[in-house]
Amino acid sequence: EADIYQTPRYLVIGTGKKITLECSQTMGHDKMYWYQQDPGMELHLIHYSYGVNSTEKGDLSSESTVSRIRTEHFPLTLESARPSHTSQYLCASSDEPQGFAGKPSYEQYFGPGTRLTVT
Amino acid sequence: KNQVEQSPQSLIILEGKNCTLQCNYTVSPFSNLRWYKQDTGRGPVSLTIMTFSENTKSNGRYTATLDADTKQSSLHITASQLSDSASYICVVSDRGSTLGRLYFGRGTQLTVWP
Repeated sequence: EADIYQTPRYLVIGTGKKITLECSQTMGHDKMYWYQQDPGMELHLIHYSYGVNSTEKGDLSSESTVSRIRTEHFPLTLESARPSHTSQYLCASSDEPQGFAGKPSYEQYFGPGTRLTVT
Repeated sequence: KNQVEQSPQSLIILEGKNCTLQCNYTVSPFSNLRWYKQDTGRGPVSLTIMTFSENTKSNGRYTATLDADTKQSSLHITASQLSDSASYICVVSDRGSTLGRLYFGRGTQLTVWP
């Protein structure tokens, strides 16, 4: 069982509200990720971080922002929620690569997700 | 373009039966291939991870195969149980980035009926 947590698990909020989705991990991993997943669709990377004070945008354009002030914490913020932001948001963290002789590289551990609905 | 395609999109089987899920990928350069199980409303959980030198790996009733030449993988589930009902996602990692970029399939939605 991975030690990565997300809150809230479910959120229903009105258009225009500011929201922050929390993600914390206790494994000491440097790399963390945010994915967006719609029903029946693949996960899309929206943000990632190599470590403290390092954040990058992912493949899928997102109006959200992230911060990484502490290793264990990687919150995602939407300044003004819109119905198009309705989705499942998954946070993940990964360990360091072990190379081909050992454990495969970058095992990613996922949190339980936050189901966001914007009305 | 790096892609991961899975089939079938959905599958219904009776409890106790076996099934096989398919994954084709075009990700290059290839690093490893993973199968994840995702229960409804939860995050994905890793079942198996294989590098290019491995062609089969088992985890209990789950057995994954990999043919790196044809870029195909399969996940075989033996003696299915009701708790196997979930989405099974094939994920391929490339070797070309320090991030260890993952490419996700859309998953096969498996339903096991009693």
